[in-house]
Amino acid sequence: DAGVIQSPRHEVTEMGQEVTLRCKPISGHDYLFWYRQTMMRGLELLIYFNNNVPIDDSGMPEDRFSAKMPNASFSTLKIQPSEPRDSAVYFCASSLTPYSNQPQHFGDGTRLSIL
Amino acid sequence: GDSVTQMEGPVTLSEEAFLTINCTYTATGYPSLFWYVQYPGEGLQLLLKATKADDKGSNKGFEATYRKETTSFHLEKGSVQVSDSAVYFCALNKEDDYKLSFGAGTTVTVRA
Repeated sequence: DAGVIQSPRHEVTEMGQEVTLRCKPISGHDYLFWYRQTMMRGLELLIYFNNNVPIDDSGMPEDRFSAKMPNASFSTLKIQPSEPRDSAVYFCASSLTPYSNQPQHFGDGTRLSIL
Repeated sequence: GDSVTQMEGPVTLSEEAFLTINCTYTATGYPSLFWYVQYPGEGLQLLLKATKADDKGSNKGFEATYRKETTSFHLEKGSVQVSDSAVYFCALNKEDDYKLSFGAGTTVTVRA
């Protein structure tokens, strides 16, 4: 089991640039979650997919953020244009079910710095 | 709404000391409770869980008991090691809800 794989691990870019974060969930997991972690706000759920379909995007901060899941093994989180306040660690997680009997498995995260 | 409150850190301990991290929750119904651990530079890993009142979750020497009467799920370890240095998150989710509600996290540093 390779675990959830995220890329890149680190991203530094200038404000105004487009940023794309990538995630490969664990094979067979039908649920995929994107989180953002900051010192001020802790862990926030941004969006959640079931079978590649976005189910709840109420946590996406604004229209500059978008997420897609074109197939069961790949998802992207895009920020365009990026701003310094988007600097955070972004985690992807996947699970067999969204409920308590199956835990969410997290990737190692992408540390994003917007200058 | 549902929420989790953890004791504030950071917590610094010597090796072989006893560790307790307090966690209390607010939720309707019967949530499941979790402790996740985040080692430096890594994502969160599930450490232990309990799905009903009086259940005890345990893993790697850590324990936590689901106490509905006090709405608590305190994490304990009898003898910590340097390798236990990490950030610990208490979390809950409801039986019919996919959302995990996390506490703010407690940073634990164990010195040799």
